[in-house]
Amino acid sequence: KNQVEQSPQSLIILEGKNCTLQCNYTVSPFSNLRWYKQDTGRGPVSLTIMTFSENTKSNGRYTATLDADTKQSSLHITASQLSDSASYICVVSDPLWRGGGADGLTFGKGTHLIIQP
Amino acid sequence: GAGVSQSPRYKVAKRGQDVALRCDPISGHVSLFWYQQALGQGPEFLTYFQNEAQLDKSGLPSDRFFAERPEGSVSTLKIQRTQQEDSAVYLCASSAHHGTGYNEQFFGPGTRLTVL
Repeated sequence: KNQVEQSPQSLIILEGKNCTLQCNYTVSPFSNLRWYKQDTGRGPVSLTIMTFSENTKSNGRYTATLDADTKQSSLHITASQLSDSASYICVVSDPLWRGGGADGLTFGKGTHLIIQP
Repeated sequence: GAGVSQSPRYKVAKRGQDVALRCDPISGHVSLFWYQQALGQGPEFLTYFQNEAQLDKSGLPSDRFFAERPEGSVSTLKIQRTQQEDSAVYLCASSAHHGTGYNEQFFGPGTRLTVL
C-alpha cells in the first residue's frame, strides 16, 4: 500500500522561530507532491504543489523541497506567526493508483504545529 | 460563495440511523471527491465523480455508504444504518478539470459526524 509518513507528529515552537516538517513517501511512480495546511475545524488548503522534476517551491514564508531520489520532502516555515498553528499534511499524487482518472491522492497523517507567543 | 460548502457542519446520529451529507462544489467544477478523516488522521479517499458519473467508488468502506451527483453539481453522501466507526469528518473537494493528478483540489469545511 502506498504510504506517506510525516514527522514530527506534533511540534511546539515560539512565535518568530523557524521550523521544518518532514515527509517520507513510498508512492511510486508519482506525479506531484503537495503540502496542505488544515486549520482546526476547516478543510485543507493547498500551500504548494511540486511535480517530480521540481526541487523547491515557495509560497510566502512557506518553502517546500523535494528529493525524488530519496523520496523525501520538507516544508520549512520562516518567522512563524500565531496563525501558522495548524496541521500540515503532505500529500502525494499517483493517478495510476486509482481507476477512473482520479487524482490518486495519498495523505499523510499530518504534523500538528503549535505556535506559542 | 466562491468556495466549497458542506452541510450540515455537525451531525449527531444514533446508531442505526440514516444520514445524508451535502456538498456544494465550486460552480463549474467538473470533479468532485469525498474523503473521510478520522480524528488525528489524514483524509482517506471515498469516491470520485466526473460531472454526474461516479467513476471511482473504491474507497467506500461498505455498502451502507452511497454517493450521488445526479445533475453534475451538488453531491450527497448517504450513510445507512450508521455505526460508531462511521464517526469522522467527511470532507468534500472539487477541482476544475477531470482527475489527472495535477489539478488542485479545493476542500470544503467538512461535516463532523458523531454516531452515539
